[in-house]
This record gives sequence, C-alpha cells and structure tokens, in this order.
Amino acid sequence: SQQGEEDPQALSIQEGENATMNCSYKTSINNLQWYRQNSGRGLVHLILIRSNEREKHSGRLRVTLDTSKKSSSLLITASRAADTASYFCATDAGSDYKLSFGAGTTVTVRA
Amino acid sequence: NAGVTQTPKFRVLKTGQSMTLLCAQDMNHEYMYWYRQDPGMGLRLIHYSVGEGTTAKGEVPDGYNVSRLKKQNFLLGLESAAPSQTSVYFCASRRPNGETQYFGPGTRLLVL
Repeated sequence: SQQGEEDPQALSIQEGENATMNCSYKTSINNLQWYRQNSGRGLVHLILIRSNEREKHSGRLRVTLDTSKKSSSLLITASRAADTASYFCATDAGSDYKLSFGAGTTVTVRA
Repeated sequence: NAGVTQTPKFRVLKTGQSMTLLCAQDMNHEYMYWYRQDPGMGLRLIHYSVGEGTTAKGEVPDGYNVSRLKKQNFLLGLESAAPSQTSVYFCASRRPNGETQYFGPGTRLLVL
C-alpha cells in the first residue's frame, strides 16, 4: 500500500507565486524525499529530509518535516513556468532502501 | 554517463504475449528497482534487486519476473501479458549508502 499521500491533488498558480503541497504518511520513516516528474519523463530527485531534521532548503525549495504529525510540506517560492510538473513525496521506512510513493500533486504554473 | 536507460520506450502487446523490458545503468549502482505508474497513482514497486544475482518481490509482483545476471542490467519480464498490465514502467537505481534513486525515462506498455 502507498505510504504517502499528497494534498492537494492539483494546484494552479500564477508565475511568481508560491506553491505549497503537503504529504502525509503512516509509519515511522528514515527519511522523506521529494521528486519531480515532467510530463512523459522519469522522476528527478529534488530534496531529502531525514527523520531528525525539521526543515531543509535547496534553492527555491523549502521542505519541512513534522514526525509527530507524520507530515511534510514542500514549498516552491517564486514559481516559474518550468516548475509545471507533478511532485511526489516518497518515504524510506525500512530495509533495502525501498521507497513508497504517494499519488502526487500536479502543479501548473500559468504565465 | 548515460545514467539509467530503458528499452523499449513504447510497446504494444496483445493479451497473452510475452516481452522483456531492459534497464541498464552505468553508475555501478548495487540496488535496482522496477516500478509501475498508473494514472492518478504514485509509483508502485514491482521487484527490486540488492545486487547481482539477487531479486526480491515488491508491492505488486504478480504477473512479472525479473533477473539480474549482470550488475548493470535489470530485466523485467511479462510471461503472459494482461490488459491490467497496461502502464508506464520505470526503472531506478541507487548506489550503496546512497539515499536517492535515479530513474530511467520509462517504458510505456499497452496491452490490448
């Protein structure tokens, strides 16, 4: 079964605005990762946050993790048309470094 | 480096036919994974391998077989394709002690 669930399913914003999406999961994790998928392409890793971290930044990306609530959020600041994609959270919760993916949030950035 | 490559890119099969999807990586990664992605769903793990000669079942292994005869290659087989196996298949790899996975571009499979 899927560990992570993203919210919202879809998001449409104007260029320059911020985009926020959330991920909830069910079990204890080692880390949580966010991936981006452009239409018709494979997934690309964006950022990883470990279970003992609360916040992490990478360029225009900000990720938070609340292990007590079993939730994470991804914030994309000053969005661009090129940020149009689907975003997936993935949790690493066990051995063999298997990842469990959520259904994703589809982000559309309007020019 | 080519990274992770997948062949073919697209294939149409008739119910009952068989085929093999090939995943190749040139990063010397130990771990390799096969996922399927269906509309409105995230990726679901089919099978994975933690090293040459090893394979293990993931979340949705039924109807699929895999082999890892060489470290750089991970093959996914469908012995008797069914319409329910229509999907996009992604391969990924990961280096030892690494935490992120590197994905191939995907294979789109249509079973009629």
